[in-house]
Amino acid sequence: QQQVKQSPQSLIVQKGGISIINCAYENTAFDYFPWYQQFPGKGPALLIAIRPDVSEKKEGRFTISFNKSAKQFSLHIMDSQPGDSATYFCAVRSGTYKYIFGTGTRLKVLA
Amino acid sequence: NAGVTQTPKFQVLKTGQSMTLQCAQDMNHNSMYWYRQDPGMGLRLIYYSASEGTTDKGEVPNGYNVSRLNKREFSLRLESAAPSQTSVYFCASSRQGQNEKLFFGSGTQLSVL
Repeated sequence: QQQVKQSPQSLIVQKGGISIINCAYENTAFDYFPWYQQFPGKGPALLIAIRPDVSEKKEGRFTISFNKSAKQFSLHIMDSQPGDSATYFCAVRSGTYKYIFGTGTRLKVLA
Repeated sequence: NAGVTQTPKFQVLKTGQSMTLQCAQDMNHNSMYWYRQDPGMGLRLIYYSASEGTTDKGEVPNGYNVSRLNKREFSLRLESAAPSQTSVYFCASSRQGQNEKLFFGSGTQLSVL
């Protein structure tokens, strides 16, 4: 069963535009919601994360919006740049050690 | 400043062959993980080790075994490789008690023919 549903599968955005990636989860016991960024040939790296007691977290051009009642969270990339072109994964933490990842979104930012 | 080191980077196996993927971290992390990444399926947890001396199954453990050799090293073994195990394998580590951030290695691309 897919516990984390991520959309869209791929996204093309013009330079300077806003990129939005969405994730939905089922289990209300999840307690931590990170986003990872992966460049080709590299391992994923933590980009930004949020806990369920806040509705938004912003770090530079990257913002997580969290809707606990709807069991959804999203990543917004403002002023998207070609260097942001990568694959993005949402994740949820189940228990102390288990992270469940979404299926990934391939973002391409056109120059 | 190596972080998480995986070897080998690439490997081609024939069906039925065995091999061990090696992973080492130099950040004094207690927890280590093995994931596989397949197109359209994201990252799926194979096994994890919460601390030295313990290992537990993840989402997709069938066909794999692991060994937490010491605090630094966590290996993944394929006893009899199958084409369905063709994938990119990632090792990761994190600090116990602050498991928010996973540090990933650069991956091993495995093809089973």
